[in-house]
Amino acid sequence: GENVEQHPSTLSVQEGDSAVIKCTYSDSASNYFPWYKQELGKGPQLIIDIRSNVGEKKDQRIAVTLNKTAKHFSLHITETQPEDSAVYFCAARGTGTASKLTFGTGTRLQVTL
Amino acid sequence: NAGVMQNPRHLVRRRGQEARLRCSPMKGHSHVYWYRQLPEEGLKFMVYLQKENIIDESGMPKERFSAEFPKEGPSILRIQQVVRGDSAAYFCASGGSATATNEKLFFGSGTQLSVL
Repeated sequence: GENVEQHPSTLSVQEGDSAVIKCTYSDSASNYFPWYKQELGKGPQLIIDIRSNVGEKKDQRIAVTLNKTAKHFSLHITETQPEDSAVYFCAARGTGTASKLTFGTGTRLQVTL
Repeated sequence: NAGVMQNPRHLVRRRGQEARLRCSPMKGHSHVYWYRQLPEEGLKFMVYLQKENIIDESGMPKERFSAEFPKEGPSILRIQQVVRGDSAAYFCASGGSATATNEKLFFGSGTQLSVL
């Protein structure tokens, strides 16, 4: 089955700096890669996603890049703000009956003033 | 425009009791996924259901755990004879389908199960 690895497990940046979180996946058939943000005591919130036929996608301060050949994808957050502090999860999704999301282990992002 | 609704928000059970967790998907969604999350860990897939069908239960423990998504009403995750190791946050996610045009999954706020 699919295996998703995520790095780093914790990340501390100063307000205004950029943050980058990286993930790799094992199943070349995976074709959909969402990112979720989870705040304390809440459910994961979808913040951005990308399909395998696209190399990059941007939404205001967040962007995701995908290298299908290398089987890795990354989340980029620019101009970080304290409210960006949360745990971020990457995920990969297969097709058909294997269409469940397989999650990475999460990155705890701390944005300091 | 209600999102994914889970209840109860918190559930306390003693060892040996049964736990029933409910999930109502977003309006128009017919696919439900259940995930378990232990403290400081990621989300582990349990089961994927469509209306009246279990599509993938590869993440479900072989005993004591069951799930259903009836034609009418919410999806239910049932844990019989709970043990302390079942204590975790259980999240439900819903989606429209597995096709490219409607593949986003949205999560509920979860049920925190505590077994005493």
